[in-house]
Amino acid sequence: SQQGEEDPQALSIQEGENATMNCSYKTSINNLQWYRQNSGRGLVHLILIRSNEREKHSGRLRVTLDTSKKSSSLLITASRAADTASYFCATDGKAGGGADGLTFGKGTHLIIQP
Amino acid sequence: DVKVTQSSRYLVKRTGEKVFLECVQDMDHENMFWYRQDPGLGLRLIYFSYDVKMKEKGDIPEGYSVSREKKERFSLILESASTNQTSMYLCASRTTGITDTQYFGPGTRLTVL
Repeated sequence: SQQGEEDPQALSIQEGENATMNCSYKTSINNLQWYRQNSGRGLVHLILIRSNEREKHSGRLRVTLDTSKKSSSLLITASRAADTASYFCATDGKAGGGADGLTFGKGTHLIIQP
Repeated sequence: DVKVTQSSRYLVKRTGEKVFLECVQDMDHENMFWYRQDPGLGLRLIYFSYDVKMKEKGDIPEGYSVSREKKERFSLILESASTNQTSMYLCASRTTGITDTQYFGPGTRLTVL
C-alpha cells in the first residue's frame, strides 16, 4: 500500500527559484528518504532523515521531518534546469526496521523553466 | 562506485511468453528488491530477498516469481507474461545495517503485446 504521498503532483518554476515538495505518510517510521528520478531512468538517493531528526541539509537540499504530523518537506534552493526530474519520498514503514522494501509515494514531477 | 545493472533497458514480449529480468549488483549487498513503476501508482514492491535462496513477497507478487542463487544476482520471472505486466521494472539493493538507502538499477521497460 502507498505510504508516502507527495504534494504537489507537478510543479513548474523558473530557474533560480526555490522548489518545495511535501510528503505525508501514515505509519511510524525509522527514517524517511527522498529520491530523484530522471525521465526513464532509475532512482537516485538524495537524502535520508531519521525519525529523531527534524532537519537535514545536503548542498542545495533541505529536508524537514515532523513526526507528529507525519510529514516531510524537500526544499531545493536556487533551482537549475538539471533539477528537472520526479522526486519521491520513501519510508520504511516499520518501526522495527528490517529488510522489507521501502514504500514510495507517487512522486512530484518538477520542471525547471530556463 | 556503487553499481546495479539490469540486463535490458527495453524488452518486448508476447502474451504467454516466459520472461526473465536479471539484476546484478557489485556491492556485496545482502538485500535485493524488485519494484514495478506505473504512471499514477508510483513504485510498488513485487518481491525482495535478504539472502541467497531467500525470498519474500512484497505488495504485488501475483504473476511473478524470483530467484536468488548467488548473492549478486536477483532475477524476476514472469511465468506467463500478460499485457497488464507492461511496466517499468526497477531493481534495487541495500546492505544490512543502519542505513536503509537503496541503490537502483536503470530500469527495464517491458512491453507485453
